[in-house]
Amino acid sequence: DADVTQTPRNRITKTGKRIMLECSQTKGHDRMYWYRQDPGLGLRLIYYSFDVKDINKGEISDGYSVSRQAQAKFSLSLESAIPNQTALYFCATSETGTGGETQYFGPGTRLLVL
Amino acid sequence: RKEVEQDPGPFNVPEGATVAFNCTYSNSASQSFFWYRQDCRKEPKLLMSVYSSGNEDGRFTAQLNRASQYISLLIRDSKLSDSATYLCVVNILAAGNKLTFGGGTRVLVKP
Repeated sequence: DADVTQTPRNRITKTGKRIMLECSQTKGHDRMYWYRQDPGLGLRLIYYSFDVKDINKGEISDGYSVSRQAQAKFSLSLESAIPNQTALYFCATSETGTGGETQYFGPGTRLLVL
Repeated sequence: RKEVEQDPGPFNVPEGATVAFNCTYSNSASQSFFWYRQDCRKEPKLLMSVYSSGNEDGRFTAQLNRASQYISLLIRDSKLSDSATYLCVVNILAAGNKLTFGGGTRVLVKP
């Protein structure tokens, strides 16, 4: 079984709808992250959490919210989806360390907002 | 200016040839550097860390030039399976220990 899983893998929704993307991990890592990837722009950090009680905004958090329900679960919500949120979304985890730790990514969720 | 910049490519490489490409970073406080590999429609995976002294992992060699603020990746004896997008990643500890990704360099190895 995969260490980092994301559901759904693909989603089509309409403008204005609320949707939730879920991430679960079995690696036992404290740190979890949500990124979006757009062609040519690389991965951009939306939100991150260094433990269950810690939530931090990334560089592009507007229009998104997150919930860290447990060490193993980190959900991303789009309260009112808009077409420019169409992207590939990745969840990632890493161990707590002094810096530069490896991040392990889930398989991604392809989101299309019509 | 982007914090981490890469030539998007594609680099079209004959099988067996050597290919090299760079990545520049703008923040001199950057402290850790990595190359991640991403196959089409797949998640990124760590290829190798980049150390100040340079490091090699099989056919892959990574180097860091702090003075000029760039890192490089060299692939020798290219295989068809090396076709992928290579992401340059930088960690700035002072910025909260988060990774900053470049846009990726696409490499296509052809028979």
